[in-house]
Amino acid sequence: SAVISQKPSRDICQRGTSLTIQCQVDSQVTMMFWYRQQPGQSLTLIATANQGSEATYESGFVIDKFPISRPNLTFSTLTVSNMSPEDSSIYLCSALRAGTSGPSSYNEQFFGPGTRLTVL
Amino acid sequence: TQLLEQSPQFLSIQEGENLTVYCNSSSVFSSLQWYRQEPGEGPVLLVTVVTGGEVKKLKRLTFQFGDARKDSSLHITAAQTGDTGLYLCASLGVFGQGTRLTINP
Repeated sequence: SAVISQKPSRDICQRGTSLTIQCQVDSQVTMMFWYRQQPGQSLTLIATANQGSEATYESGFVIDKFPISRPNLTFSTLTVSNMSPEDSSIYLCSALRAGTSGPSSYNEQFFGPGTRLTVL
Repeated sequence: TQLLEQSPQFLSIQEGENLTVYCNSSSVFSSLQWYRQEPGEGPVLLVTVVTGGEVKKLKRLTFQFGDARKDSSLHITAAQTGDTGLYLCASLGVFGQGTRLTINP
């Protein structure tokens, strides 16, 4: 499995400010992702962080609001810009690693512990 | 985008009982993962199933992959309070709605 750490683990921010969340993986991985999760609910994919190119955003998420960096194969950041209370959520970093099962190959996703963001 | 439907969304049972959680899609899964998440933590990968008809066991947890690779189930035998959590199925980065499981002492 991959070990993923995130910083900060939680933060309380004022409306209109920005917060950058860092994600570090203990080994090189093919793909990294950022998710948002409301407490008790499932995960919503924000974007795929591509190494060396612009992130790929899902419908409803834009680069101006959620700029993402991925300078190398083990690190990524997500910035939540111009925050409002609606941005209060848990933000999760994820990494993809290849696995095998007999003759079959597949990808497994591992997650960081999450960043709990509260916007006042 | 592949949609995954999980059922039930909520389940509350007594310790010692058995339970099954289901994950279904109208599309074929290339592979499917099951996760368990506790409050304040990220999802933890339990298992990946790849082959149609595959059965994997993890102590009291039994995971089945449908023959057509469109559905999967998670069965827990003799549930314990420590099994309480949010169980999620996922494929290609898309997650089901989750099943919130509560095991009462």
